Amino acid sequence: LAKTTQPISMDSYEGQEVNITCSHNNIATNDYITWYQQFPSQGPRFIIQGYKTKVTNEVASLFIPADRKSSTLSLPRVSLSDTAVYYCLVENRGSTLGRLYFGRGTQLTVWP
Amino acid sequence: GAGVSQSPRYKVTKRGQDVALRCDPISGHVSLYWYRQALGQGPEFLTYFNYEAQQDKSGLPNDRFSAERPEGSISTLTIQRTEQRDSAMYRCASSQRDRTFFSDTEAFFGQGTRLTVV
Repeated sequence: LAKTTQPISMDSYEGQEVNITCSHNNIATNDYITWYQQFPSQGPRFIIQGYKTKVTNEVASLFIPADRKSSTLSLPRVSLSDTAVYYCLVENRGSTLGRLYFGRGTQLTVWP
Repeated sequence: GAGVSQSPRYKVTKRGQDVALRCDPISGHVSLYWYRQALGQGPEFLTYFNYEAQQDKSGLPNDRFSAERPEGSISTLTIQRTEQRDSAMYRCASSQRDRTFFSDTEAFFGQGTRLTVV
């Protein structure tokens, strides 16, 4: 399974756009990139998933370059409530394991 | 139910006692997972079921840990002869489809059970 590397922490201010980059140099052809968000005292929550190029939903955008060795989660106009840990995962489609591998994630702190 | 439900929310037990943690997944969800999360760390995989079959238990730390899902719905994670190092948040998740074949499937996590071994 491809290992992911992401910053341990990031700070931002309300109203700004936040971009969290994750590197996954050993990503395989059948791997998908998924991001989860976790608030204190809650379980992780799915945000977005993509395979290549750009994916956008009501919460975030995910940018994946052609080589797929990295990905960037973009949160537009963050608010205080976006303060959370964000996890980047690489999931192998068709794997017999079915598990999700979480690293330590990125602690995003949004300041007023 | 509306979401993944875990009980109890908090459990304090004495070292050496057995504990059973319960997970009630979202109705109809095929796959069920158990994770353990230490403070400041990401969730650590323990085990995983598709329907009633335990597909992968390689994450269970040792033979004191076991899990079952006899009817393909509710699951129980049992820890025998608890030790202080077992103290952690134990989280259950479920997903609608068999993630062995459909990894592009969202997993829904419960609120977790905070286990404290004293």
